[in-house]
Amino acid sequence: QKEVEQDPGPLSVPEGAIVSLNCTYSNSAFQYFMWYRQYSRKGPELLMYTYSSGNKEDGRFTAQVDKSSKYISLFIRDSQPSDSATYLCAPSYGNNRLAFGKGNQVVVIP
Amino acid sequence: GAGVSQSPSNKVTEKGKDVELRCDPISGHTALYWYRQSLGQGLEFLIYFQGNSAPDKSGLPSDRFSAERTGGSVSTLTIQRTQQEDSAVYLCASSFTGNNSPLHFGNGTRLTVT
Repeated sequence: QKEVEQDPGPLSVPEGAIVSLNCTYSNSAFQYFMWYRQYSRKGPELLMYTYSSGNKEDGRFTAQVDKSSKYISLFIRDSQPSDSATYLCAPSYGNNRLAFGKGNQVVVIP
Repeated sequence: GAGVSQSPSNKVTEKGKDVELRCDPISGHTALYWYRQSLGQGLEFLIYFQGNSAPDKSGLPSDRFSAERTGGSVSTLTIQRTQQEDSAVYLCASSFTGNNSPLHFGNGTRLTVT
């Protein structure tokens, strides 16, 4: 079983829709949960960072972590064409060794 | 300020040749990472440098891969006797410390082995 599983997509949504992305992981030792956004031919950039279970909101973005079910979610409200990218979930043990998923490709159609 | 800089941005090489990929991290960042991203795959950890500590080489896929970091700054990833399966994007990242500070990635070197 891979450490981190993500459905690569692509997920196509109309502009303004809510985007829901999910990630599951296998290692209960993960404590920190990050989402990175990667535009085509660019390096990933940190989008959201949460510790342990719970929700975190930042503008149009909300990250949720449910450690009991080893499930991580990212929601994007009022999606924009500029949100078209690949979203990588990356849980961590806490020593900065991140375990990246394959990423969810999102396409927001104007 | 300047981000993580990688060079070259693209590299095409013939099978069996050696290649060197360069990473210039953000000034002041003590931690430096190399990852590999193959088509349709997630980021694969290769190697991690933290300050003056011995590097964590546990992700290097074979002894054809090596990396060094000189003076705690610039890093070079070397692939000897390249194979077609080495074709991928090689990403470098740095962070302020090795303890959960965010990783800042460069835009990668796209390596194609023909």
